[in-house]
Amino acid sequence: DTAVSQTPKYLVTQMGNDKSIKCEQNLGHDTMYWYKQDSKKFLKIMFSYNNKELIINETVPNRFSPKSPDKAHLNLHINSLELGDSAVYFCASSRQLYDTQYFGPGTRLTVL
Amino acid sequence: QKEVEQNSGPLSVPEGAIASLNCTYSDRVSQSFFWYRQYSGKSPELIMSIYSNGDKEDGRFTAQLNKASQYVSLLIRDSQPSDSATYLCAVNSITSGTYKYIFGTGTRLKVLA
Repeated sequence: DTAVSQTPKYLVTQMGNDKSIKCEQNLGHDTMYWYKQDSKKFLKIMFSYNNKELIINETVPNRFSPKSPDKAHLNLHINSLELGDSAVYFCASSRQLYDTQYFGPGTRLTVL
Repeated sequence: QKEVEQNSGPLSVPEGAIASLNCTYSDRVSQSFFWYRQYSGKSPELIMSIYSNGDKEDGRFTAQLNKASQYVSLLIRDSQPSDSATYLCAVNSITSGTYKYIFGTGTRLKVLA
């Protein structure tokens, strides 16, 4: 069984559209994260949820909205997509806040 | 100054040699340090974590931490072509209730057969 899964794996869409990426972990972890990895491979944290509560909200546009329906799921919704949003988005989870993180396979988002 | 700095490389070493990867960080109150490996097109995976000064060994990997000098390094002994990947250093700190978990930009390692 995959520990941290994300869907979809690839997402190609037009500028201005709204899209969602889903993440699920079956590790029983309390904390989940969203990261963005740009073309230069820099991995930057976007959000962190601990027990369904938002802990970290880095400086990201408010077009990005995370939602955690339960501890095992953390979804990312993006409104009005822009060209600069093209990147690989990774979901991760950890037992406790900022403990060892386990990453999902990533979602490659391409905005045309 | 970047909060976590790594030489982007590529660092090329012959098969069987020791690869030495370095990382410096700026926040003196950093508490936990992690090395992740990322193959091209894949997600990062943890290699080692280290929390106190000194060396920590796990198989062919040794992490070294020096908090006074604010650096953490990763040594890979008997390097194999399969070790060719980007190695990411991550640093965790909690200051005045503010959590930080910051990755370096990674060092690309190439092990030549």
